[in-house]
Amino acid sequence: DIQMTQSPSTLSASVGDRVTITCRASQIINNWLAWYQQKPGKGPKVLIYKASSLESGVPSRFSGSGSGTEFTLTISSLQPDDFATYYCQQYNSYPGTFGQGTKVDLK
Amino acid sequence: EVQLVESGGGSVQPGGSLRLSCAASGFSFNTYWMSWVRQAPGKGLEWVANMNGDGSVKNYLDSVKGRFTISRDNAENSLYLQLNSLRVEDTAVYYCARVVCCAGSGWFNYWGQGTPVTVSS
Repeated sequence: DIQMTQSPSTLSASVGDRVTITCRASQIINNWLAWYQQKPGKGPKVLIYKASSLESGVPSRFSGSGSGTEFTLTISSLQPDDFATYYCQQYNSYPGTFGQGTKVDLK
Repeated sequence: EVQLVESGGGSVQPGGSLRLSCAASGFSFNTYWMSWVRQAPGKGLEWVANMNGDGSVKNYLDSVKGRFTISRDNAENSLYLQLNSLRVEDTAVYYCARVVCCAGSGWFNYWGQGTPVTVSS
């Protein structure tokens, strides 16, 4: 199985900060990578697919980049609604695997 | 509006069984791959199984093969997951998700709110 490793595990930030989360795959995944946001007690919400494509309706302050095995999710200016846990997911091969998550909390 | 509503979770002893259901609405259910994804308490997400639109193709996580069965009823716009021979490590919230396919297990553009399964003696 492809292992997905996110860093950091926790990130403390303030409203207005630029935030970057990294996701590293154990092998090349051909940009088949998605990013999700999850809030407590809710199902995840997709933000980015195919490494850098913004899902419809997702604010433009979210962006994804990277290729091969290393990918990033950037929030250009953190908003109050963005405090949540973020997961990357590779879907290059079965089984689709997720990173362990990055919790973004208030500094 | 796309909606996915799971039900059927509960508490069961090791070795027991449960049947999870997911009621779908707001889209042409029979044209989409569907998936189950789970999340153990305080842990990350884990893909469990998926199925294509007509039910002819099914894929499973190795650790649930032979114990879990995914199925669907397109006339009822419903997805199911039969959980047999349950283990303590199957304890999780189980989510139903709509798949956007292009490679591997695909990515998920709609999720339900989840149904909790607790396996404990």
